[in-house]
Amino acid sequence: KAGVTQTPRYLIKTRGQQVTLSCSPISGHRSVSWYQQTPGQGLQFLFEYFSETQRNKGNFPGRFSGRQFSNSRSEMNVSTLELGDSALYLCASSADRGDSGYTFGSGTRLTVV
Amino acid sequence: GESVGLHLPTLSVQEGDNSIINCAYSNSASDYFIWYKQESGKGPQFIIDIRSNMDKRQGQRVTVLLNKTVKHLSLQIAATQPGDSAVYFCAENNWDSNYQLIWGAGTKLIIKP
Repeated sequence: KAGVTQTPRYLIKTRGQQVTLSCSPISGHRSVSWYQQTPGQGLQFLFEYFSETQRNKGNFPGRFSGRQFSNSRSEMNVSTLELGDSALYLCASSADRGDSGYTFGSGTRLTVV
Repeated sequence: GESVGLHLPTLSVQEGDNSIINCAYSNSASDYFIWYKQESGKGPQFIIDIRSNMDKRQGQRVTVLLNKTVKHLSLQIAATQPGDSAVYFCAENNWDSNYQLIWGAGTKLIIKP
């Protein structure tokens, strides 16, 4: 069965722009979590969606937002990009609350210049 | 606050030897633990998990040990191979964290020929 698909794989944006990243979870998975990974901070939790509802949110500014559609696909948006937003953005899907494990996509590498 | 941490940032092991990667956690309420492997340019890949009602679980060439008394988790890799070179993360999950995986900093495993 297909894994978690994230698009695009690479992205270069200019400071002040906005960006939308997409994640398609494994078929049948209803939970989608987003993480930011940087060399200095490791994996930082952004938010988690389940059945179109945000269940939890990490400590990121309001410029970071997300949503989930009825087919469980999820998008995250970052507005007014800053240089510090350059990172690998990872999406993970799970059947429910993650107590059966999470499957990650390969990520979107965002570079802000 | 809650934290999951790793004792060693880098571990060098001779090919064919066994590797042991350690992880400490601080939340005694954590009831589910996962080990992930991340290769360069890829998202984290699930290796093995363990629940708090167990103290040992074995997979193919990997064993996870959980010591709840000292809040310590370890990953043992038998007969380490070049393909095991990666960064290894431990993560914990519990209902107190509200569906948010709490990640350790990661240990880089280097295989010496």
